[in-house]
Amino acid sequence: ETGVTQTPRHLVMGMTNKKSLKCEQHLGHNAMYWYKQSAKKPLELMFVYSLEERVENNSVPSRFSPECPNSSHLFLHLHTLQPEDSALYLCASSQESQNYGYTFGSGTRLTVV
Amino acid sequence: AQSVAQPEDQVNVAEGNPLTVKCTYSVSGNPYLFWYVQYPNRGLQFLLKYITGDNLVKGSYGFEAEFNKSQTSFHLKKPSALVSDSALYFCATLPNDYKLSFGAGTTVTVRA
Repeated sequence: ETGVTQTPRHLVMGMTNKKSLKCEQHLGHNAMYWYKQSAKKPLELMFVYSLEERVENNSVPSRFSPECPNSSHLFLHLHTLQPEDSALYLCASSQESQNYGYTFGSGTRLTVV
Repeated sequence: AQSVAQPEDQVNVAEGNPLTVKCTYSVSGNPYLFWYVQYPNRGLQFLLKYITGDNLVKGSYGFEAEFNKSQTSFHLKKPSALVSDSALYFCATLPNDYKLSFGAGTTVTVRA
């Protein structure tokens, strides 16, 4: 365990479903991130939360909705997804202003059918 | 913009042979450089980092990396590769905004 826990590990959902991905960190970090990793594509930074405020949204479609209720928890709410949204979704956390890099969770493998 | 580049999509080596995964950087000022490894269907795991100090950095699983300022490189190395080292390797840099910038990744295959 890295200290960043993602649930569920695997998720299969239909295009009309609503689901949520959860990320939890117990490292005392003050920043959290969502990344999308698709096959044969670079890691895509989706959202950044710093001190529970969203500071970056990299042109992500509105069918992805993040929520950061506190510094330890991060959610990604999903609705009316498309098959091309199938990917590994990675959560990470860091302590901003420190040069230690990120700690990643194991990811949620999402399949949209 | 501060970035890293991984010039090789794939590296194939025989078990027991030296392994090198290349990374070059384009960073103004002092670079903060990282290597991460990703095993199949897992998240990224931290291997090592260079912030300052010795140019040769030792990390997890017997890996090391050499910071070379004149060549703007930060290649990852392992003297004797194992089949279990087969994975996807990412080089990254941490600019002033503290958002890690990743390379495209290099797939390493170590054959028995």
